[in-house]
Amino acid sequence: EAQVTQNPRYLITVTGKKLTVTCSQNMNHEYMSWYRQDPGLGLRQIYYSMNVEVTDKGDVPEGYKVSRKEKRNFPLILESPSPNQTSLYFCASSLKSLLGTDTQYFGPGTRLTVL
Amino acid sequence: KQEVTQIPAALSVPEGENLVLNCSFTDSAIYNLQWFRQDPGKGLTSLLLIQSSQREQTSGRLNASLDKSSGRSTLYIAASQPGDSATYLCAVRAAGNKLTFGGGTRVLVKP
Repeated sequence: EAQVTQNPRYLITVTGKKLTVTCSQNMNHEYMSWYRQDPGLGLRQIYYSMNVEVTDKGDVPEGYKVSRKEKRNFPLILESPSPNQTSLYFCASSLKSLLGTDTQYFGPGTRLTVL
Repeated sequence: KQEVTQIPAALSVPEGENLVLNCSFTDSAIYNLQWFRQDPGKGLTSLLLIQSSQREQTSGRLNASLDKSSGRSTLYIAASQPGDSATYLCAVRAAGNKLTFGGGTRVLVKP
């Protein structure tokens, strides 16, 4: 089954404790991205990757890191989480096109709470 | 900077009525526009994708139109059902594969 998976689905942590949220897709998509969703602010892009070893900042990259060592995986790293990073996080993937014409597929979300 | 707006923010209709959801965007230089559905606590499910060169797309009871020059898209859902209750999001894709989302319209279809 074609899908985007995220782990963990729920996480409660404390300020400053490094964490990683994993994202994996089995559709051989070149393009992957991370979003956060907050009430009143909607979905905002954090980072995206056009292919292996190619990443770029989205609208709200501060406090986050990503890596793309393999095509299928795109982990989101919070080196020193803070309470303002409490949010619902989504990973998404799509086939890459110069015209950006492809449907994005989203993972189920990771609800992160930073105390 | 691209801004995407969805009005109304919430909508309640009786079962069987047609739904009309609006999406507007400020920069018409888009590659495509995508409509998503989000159920509470769940991820996003893609409903329809309209390329910038297209005027509309249809899938079952869903029909989405795009007027790029005026920066508008409309999602029509015919003969609404309680199972259509969800939040509907539109997103536009522009240069650099960046996807900008609207704030969503929360729909409640009453039996």
